[in-house]
Amino acid sequence: QVQLKESGPGLVQPSQTLSLTCTVAGFSLTSYNVHWVRQPPGKGLEWMGVIWNTGGTRYNSALKSRLSISKDTSKSQVFLKMNSLQTEDTATYYCARDPDYWGQGVMVTVSS
Amino acid sequence: DVVLTQTPVSLLISLGGQASISCRSSQSLVHSNGNTYLHWYLQKPGQSPQLLIYQVSNRFSGIPDRFSGSGSGTDFTLKISRVEPEDLGVYYCLQRTHNPYTFGAGTKLELK
Repeated sequence: QVQLKESGPGLVQPSQTLSLTCTVAGFSLTSYNVHWVRQPPGKGLEWMGVIWNTGGTRYNSALKSRLSISKDTSKSQVFLKMNSLQTEDTATYYCARDPDYWGQGVMVTVSS
Repeated sequence: DVVLTQTPVSLLISLGGQASISCRSSQSLVHSNGNTYLHWYLQKPGQSPQLLIYQVSNRFSGIPDRFSGSGSGTDFTLKISRVEPEDLGVYYCLQRTHNPYTFGAGTKLELK
């Protein structure tokens, strides 16, 4: 069945780079787009960006200068890299297949 | 950026009652391809969001017909009839027509 699972460090120091992996199963990344969405504790959802099935990307303009999304289709993995992290980047990060299935999310805390 | 205004912020509904959530957009959500990319999600406590309705009025697989979506252009509504305990949580609308994609702030459904 369709599954997405995020993985990455739970704690990142301020000014460092966040690297997350979304490993998918049950579908091909050449057929579906995958989004990244984040949710600060107790707050709403923020769309971060998408990698299309074709490999193209689109980013939230508020994050564009810091964010990069890529994928390895052969490994069924999508990657998120975001640099210059600050405390306000503390959030649960989700990957989601467009428009339906979501991963369980990974909580990332930015703190020294 | 497109602003999605969800009302009400919270809803207190009795079991078996009906709930209605509005999502109003600051711009028309009709894409240049003619489709309207307005989706509805439910985030149950401690869980990832789950898709209820895609492209305004299409129920996702496994979603009961108690959930219905309607609307066009800038005004959209999610209706939940015969509310059950498993319906509680936060409901979000998402527009995927204009970049950056944006979520509404959420409507919290609680049971009386």
